[in-house]
Amino acid sequence: EAGVVQSPRYKIIEKKQPVAFWCNPISGHNTLYWYRQNLGQGPELLIRYENEEAVDDSQLPKDRFSAERLKGVDSTLKIQPAELGDSAVYLCASSSGNNYGYTFGSGTRLTVV
Amino acid sequence: AQSVTQLGSHVSVSEGALVLLRCNYSSSVPPYLFWYVQYPNQGLQLLLKYTTGATLVKGINGFEAEFKKSETSFHLTKPSAHMSDAAEYFCAVTLANAGGTSYGKLTFGQGTILTVHP
Repeated sequence: EAGVVQSPRYKIIEKKQPVAFWCNPISGHNTLYWYRQNLGQGPELLIRYENEEAVDDSQLPKDRFSAERLKGVDSTLKIQPAELGDSAVYLCASSSGNNYGYTFGSGTRLTVV
Repeated sequence: AQSVTQLGSHVSVSEGALVLLRCNYSSSVPPYLFWYVQYPNQGLQLLLKYTTGATLVKGINGFEAEFKKSETSFHLTKPSAHMSDAAEYFCAVTLANAGGTSYGKLTFGQGTILTVHP
């Protein structure tokens, strides 16, 4: 079984530019999460989807961040425009609500210069 | 609301020595608790989890953790460290709703970097 797939693995952009990250969760996992991990810290939730519905986006900076999960499967997280402080690792995870088995992808390391 | 505190941002042990990584949680309802390991430039890998039942939980790579409600702790141990255990470890908590399914949001501690010396 394939795990959670994220792309790209690394991204370097100039500030004020847009950037997008893509996540393909484990097949059958109805819950999808985007986390941000700053250097030296634990991951923090940005947004949680149940199928195609965003059920918790309270930590998503909505002035510049947006996310979507089309057809309740793949998801895209976008930043526009990027700021220096957005440099971090963006992790996608998925779970099936019955077994608390959160599976994380390898993450996208974003560097804003 | 829930929170996690990992005591010690860095732990250093000799190969073959006991590994003890400390985690305390705060939760208004019964928690589900997790330990994850992260190797450089990689995602998070689940080591073990506690949901219900036996409070001593065994995980992969010889790690185990014990849920102690009275101490609000979920410390991670391994009897004998191996060089390959060097990594960053994260304790995390989520809440079970009344139906018993996951509340959904994992809250992580700040992480503990484990160094293993030959």
